[in-house]
Amino acid sequence: DTAVSQTPKYLVTQMGNDKSIKCEQNLGHDTMYWYKQDSKKFLKIMFSYNNKELIINETVPNRFSPKSPDKAHLNLHINSLELGDSAVYFCASSQGLPGISGNTIYFGEGSWLTVV
Amino acid sequence: TQLLEQSPQFLSIQEGENLTVYCNSSSVFSSLQWYRQEPGEGPVLLVTVVTGGEVKKLKRLTFQFGDARKDSSLHITAAQPGDTGLYLCAGGATSGTYKYIFGTGTRLKVLA
Repeated sequence: DTAVSQTPKYLVTQMGNDKSIKCEQNLGHDTMYWYKQDSKKFLKIMFSYNNKELIINETVPNRFSPKSPDKAHLNLHINSLELGDSAVYFCASSQGLPGISGNTIYFGEGSWLTVV
Repeated sequence: TQLLEQSPQFLSIQEGENLTVYCNSSSVFSSLQWYRQEPGEGPVLLVTVVTGGEVKKLKRLTFQFGDARKDSSLHITAAQPGDTGLYLCAGGATSGTYKYIFGTGTRLKVLA
């Protein structure tokens, strides 16, 4: 069974469209994340939720809106897509608050978003 | 802003060679992790170090956390083609903001 699963894996869409990426984890973790990895492989945190509460909201355009209906799900909705949004988006989860005591982050396989 | 710089950025070596990857910052971290990412997949945790000066070994991989908890190194002995991948260090914030900060990455290719 996949621990952190995200869909779709590949997404090609036109500028201006709205799209969503879904994420589910079956590890029983209480913290979930969205990371963005650019073409240079730099991995940057976008959002983090702990027990459905937003705890990290980095400098991300407000066109990006995360939604956590429950502890096991964290979806990412993107409005008015731009060329610069093309990247790989990783969903991840961990048990406990991030950055403390070296909690392991479990990543999904990534969603390759291409905006044309 | 806490930043983690990794060096080298790219590394291509022959099977059997040794190598060291560095992860440096001017900031102190509560913990330091190393991940390996293979093409088409998400990063996978290799090790976590939490104490300054700590050394951990994972088969042919040796990880060290700097005494001041600002830097770390990953040493691979007798590299194999299976070690090929993107290596990422990640630092845990010390307080205030609950997040991991990822390094700039080192792309390793081991040639058979």
